[in-house]
Amino acid sequence: DAKTTQPTSMDCAEGRAANLPCNHSTISGNEYVYWYRQIHSQGPQYIIHGLKNNETNEMASLIITEDRKSSTLILPHATLRDTAVYYCIVREGGSEKLVFGKGTKLTVNP
Amino acid sequence: DAGVIQSPRHEVTEMGQEVTLRCKPISGHNSLFWYRQTMMRGLELLIYFNNNVPIDDSGMPEDRFSAKMPNASFSTLKIQPSEPRDSAVYFCASSLIAGVGEQYFGPGTRLTVT
Repeated sequence: DAKTTQPTSMDCAEGRAANLPCNHSTISGNEYVYWYRQIHSQGPQYIIHGLKNNETNEMASLIITEDRKSSTLILPHATLRDTAVYYCIVREGGSEKLVFGKGTKLTVNP
Repeated sequence: DAGVIQSPRHEVTEMGQEVTLRCKPISGHNSLFWYRQTMMRGLELLIYFNNNVPIDDSGMPEDRFSAKMPNASFSTLKIQPSEPRDSAVYFCASSLIAGVGEQYFGPGTRLTVT
């Protein structure tokens, strides 16, 4: 079973920051937080992952709370092409498995 | 690199027929995964391979499903006989290093069994 809880859906205005929350209150010390997204009819796409520290790449930023029980994925300037289902996944270090939950359906509106 | 390649992209078959889905992972990647996605069950891991060896097939639904990886650049997922409940999108993914980093997904094969 997925170890995360995410809102079912969210809306965001184009050009604004999209902040997608994820709760993972049972996360253990060697588990990473991964984010993927799936644009309609495509395969899932990796976005970012982190363990303790905040992370940033060309796609997004990941903010992990100090107690690691929750995190937020930030898309700084959302575009229409960012409309997708976003999956927050807790993955044990060294484990190959990704367990996908239901994710958050993000709709970016013009 | 062309990314993960899957074929066919769409498959329509009749119940009872054999179906073979194919996947070519990204060159140099050591791990390969087969997933299935349905509206009811979401995205599920069926089986994965490390260095061409099946590691965990606990997600394979039943004996009608089988997967092989004869070499580092090719894998198949076979369903025989197929049933309407097998209708789904099947994704293949690969990763460079076992247990580390991201998985790269292919475009998927949409299977319809009538």
